[in-house]
Amino acid sequence: GAGVSQSPRYKVAKRGQDVALRCDPISGHVSLFWYQQALGQGPEFLTYFQNEAQLDKSGLPSDRFFAERPEGSVSTLKIQRTQQEDSAVYLCASSPIAGATKETQYFGPGTRLLVL
Amino acid sequence: SQQGEEDPQALSIQEGENATMNCSYKTSINNLQWYRQNSGRGLVHLILIRSNEREKHSGRLRVTLDTSKKSSSLLITASRAADTASYFCATDGAGKSTFGDGTTLTVKP
Repeated sequence: GAGVSQSPRYKVAKRGQDVALRCDPISGHVSLFWYQQALGQGPEFLTYFQNEAQLDKSGLPSDRFFAERPEGSVSTLKIQRTQQEDSAVYLCASSPIAGATKETQYFGPGTRLLVL
Repeated sequence: SQQGEEDPQALSIQEGENATMNCSYKTSINNLQWYRQNSGRGLVHLILIRSNEREKHSGRLRVTLDTSKKSSSLLITASRAADTASYFCATDGAGKSTFGDGTTLTVKP
């Protein structure tokens, strides 16, 4: 069975460009998380979906960040007017149950974003 | 800011030796999880220990949790070169996981 996949794996953007990062969770997984990981640091929570509902977006750093999961499966993280400080690895994780932090999260390989 | 803090930041050992990493956290938790991350890859879940548990084993891994000291340790026994990676603890609170900045383990063959 396929794990969590993310695309693209690498993205180079010019400052000011918009980017869209895609996450395909494991089929049937209810919960989906986005994290941002800066170089040399641990992942930081961005947002959480339970099916199509975005239940927590408290970690999104600014209103330039937007995430959606319209059909409760694939999710897209969009960053508008990218800035250099947005350069990081963006990780997606999914879990088969709601309240997913109580159980294992399955992580994708991440998208490495570099903003020049 | 991160809730969990791993110690040491970096650890270098010889193959066959044991490796111990520690994690401290600040607020009450429901559970604590350890993850491994190989360079340029996603995180792999290793073990979950709940707040009412004190010790858990999985293969060569042993995790302890001391809620009175708000700390956890991860012991890897008989290390292998393939154990070279970064190790993160993550605490569960308010419905989200909070990660530390990790311990980078290097196992020399």
